[in-house]
Amino acid sequence: RKEVEQDPGPFNVPEGATVAFNCTYSNSASQSFFWYRQDCRKEPKLLMSVYSSGNEDGRFTAQLNRASQYISLLIRDSKLSDSATYLCVVKSGSNYQLIWGAGTKLIIKP
Amino acid sequence: GAGVSQTPSNKVTEKGKYVELRCDPISGHTALYWYRQSLGQGPEFLIYFQGTGAADDSGLPNDRFFAVRPEGSVSTLKIQRTERGDSAVYLCASGRGGTDTQYFGPGTRLTVL
Repeated sequence: RKEVEQDPGPFNVPEGATVAFNCTYSNSASQSFFWYRQDCRKEPKLLMSVYSSGNEDGRFTAQLNRASQYISLLIRDSKLSDSATYLCVVKSGSNYQLIWGAGTKLIIKP
Repeated sequence: GAGVSQTPSNKVTEKGKYVELRCDPISGHTALYWYRQSLGQGPEFLIYFQGTGAADDSGLPNDRFFAVRPEGSVSTLKIQRTERGDSAVYLCASGRGGTDTQYFGPGTRLTVL
């Protein structure tokens, strides 16, 4: 079993819709959680950190459920520019090594 | 300010050859990381430097892979006797410290024919 698992997608979603990504992790000692965004043939860029209390940044909401070892990302009112691959990332107990999911590809259609 | 830069952006080589990939971190960042990303996968950790020393090289797949950071700034990832399975995008990231946000460079796309 992979340490971080995501639905590979792709998700084909009409512009303006709400889309949710899910991610599970296997190491219960994991301490930090992130969502990164990666455009085609570009480097990954930090989208947002995920906190236990949940956090929101504009149209983006991230949630963490430590008991279920589950992380989610919700995108509301999706835009064409949201099309990208979204990667779930967990920091290991060593506190620097990032463990990555394979990513979920999102395609927003006009 | 300038971000992380990597050279070359693309490298095509033949099986069995030696390659060097370079990373210039953000100025002042003491932490430097190398990752490898294969098609359709997330990045895979290779090695972490804190200053000049490799604090964790547990991700290097075998002894054909080696990385250095002699002056605590620029780092070079070296791959000997390349194999077709080494083909991937090699990403470098830097940060202020081990727990800080990691900022990624654009990567070097390595193709081994």
